This record gives sequence, structure tokens and C-alpha cells, in this order.
Amino acid sequence: NAGVTQTPKFRILKIGQSMTLQCTQDMNHNYMYWYRQDPGMGLKLIYYSVGAGITDKGEVPNGYNVSRSTTEDFPLRLELAAPSQTSVYFCASSSSSRGQVTEAFFGQGTRLTVV
Amino acid sequence: GNSVTQMEGPVTLSEEAFLTINCTYTATGYPSLFWYVQYPGEGLQLLLKATKADDKGSNKGFEATYRKETTSFHLEKGSVQVSDSAVYFCALALTGGGNKLTFGTGTQLKVEL
Repeated sequence: NAGVTQTPKFRILKIGQSMTLQCTQDMNHNYMYWYRQDPGMGLKLIYYSVGAGITDKGEVPNGYNVSRSTTEDFPLRLELAAPSQTSVYFCASSSSSRGQVTEAFFGQGTRLTVV
Repeated sequence: GNSVTQMEGPVTLSEEAFLTINCTYTATGYPSLFWYVQYPGEGLQLLLKATKADDKGSNKGFEATYRKETTSFHLEKGSVQVSDSAVYFCALALTGGGNKLTFGTGTQLKVEL
């Protein structure tokens, strides 16, 4: 089982460049998420989606955009890269279940450096 | 708002030592509680969870009990191994909140021979 797949694994960007972090899942999960992980800060939610065509901001959305045109894919777009966006980015997905919280499955992460 | 506080690391232990990683939380509702583990170079994976007060989650020799009266979910293991070296994250999520996780800052565990 592939689970949650992120590409690329590593990327170096120059300030002002743009890029898209790809995320796809093969578990037919309705919910998908983007988190960033900074040293000593845990993971912070950037954006999330509860289904195709529906997205919403998380705790730290500034500087990012997302789209969810299919159940499987949830790309994260950086339009004007800034050094503050240097981080490790994790995509995750989970199933929807009425009345309970279900397990989140994470990709292996994308390590992004903005110079 | 919701928040999770866990003990800072790194925690360094000898193999077969007893492990406790403290975790406390604040939440606006009645959360489910989780421990996720991140091995070097990998994404996070669920270690254990508990969904209501007094529930005990357990997996791979680790366990944690949901204590509503102390708003805590401390992680314990009776005898750690070198292979347990990883970063451990305590997290919570509210029912009906899209399964969005609020994480603690993580605790790095190093187990030495």
C-alpha cells in the first residue's frame, strides 16, 4: 500500500520563486491536511480539506494556497517563497467517521529550504 | 483555544530503563488524545490513542491513560529499547472538527546501550 505520497522529498528555492508540493493518497480518505514542522515547534496546520472542492485555512495559512479537485490529490502552492517558509512539510489524510476522530496517515515529508 | 504541552527533550535513557513522557492538554470540548511517533527521516505514525476518560491506549509496550481530572495523557513504557529512539508527539483532536490535530512540540528520545 502506498498510503500518502509526497513529492519532492527535498527542494531548495530562491526567495521569490514559486513551487507546488504534491500530495496524493490511495486510501479514499475524505480528509486531507498540510502541516509544517519547525524545530522545537511541533506541527502546525496550514490548510485542510474535508472533501473534493472544499478547503479551509488552518493555523498558519499565510503565503500558501491549496486546491482539492479530486479525492486523491491535495497540492500545496507557495507563490512567493520567503526564508520563513523553510520547513519540513507533511501531508496527511484521514477517513471521516460520524461521532469519532480517526487516525491520520502521514507522508514522509518534504524538506524545503528557501535561500 | 486548544493546546498541548509536553516535556522538553531530549530524553536520554539506557536500554531497559523505564520511560515517562509527560503530556497535558487544554481543549474547548471533549478531545480524543493521541501519541504519534516519528522515526528518523520518516513521517509521523500513530502509536496509540484514547477517545474517552479513563481509556488506556497501548501499542508496542507503550501505554497512556486519558486522565480527564488532570487533563493529562502521559506516555509510559516499562523497558525501552534502542529501536524506540525517535521523536514522540502528543496530540489532540475534537470530534466534529475535521480530525484536525493540535500537536505538542515533540520530545526526542535517545536510548543507548
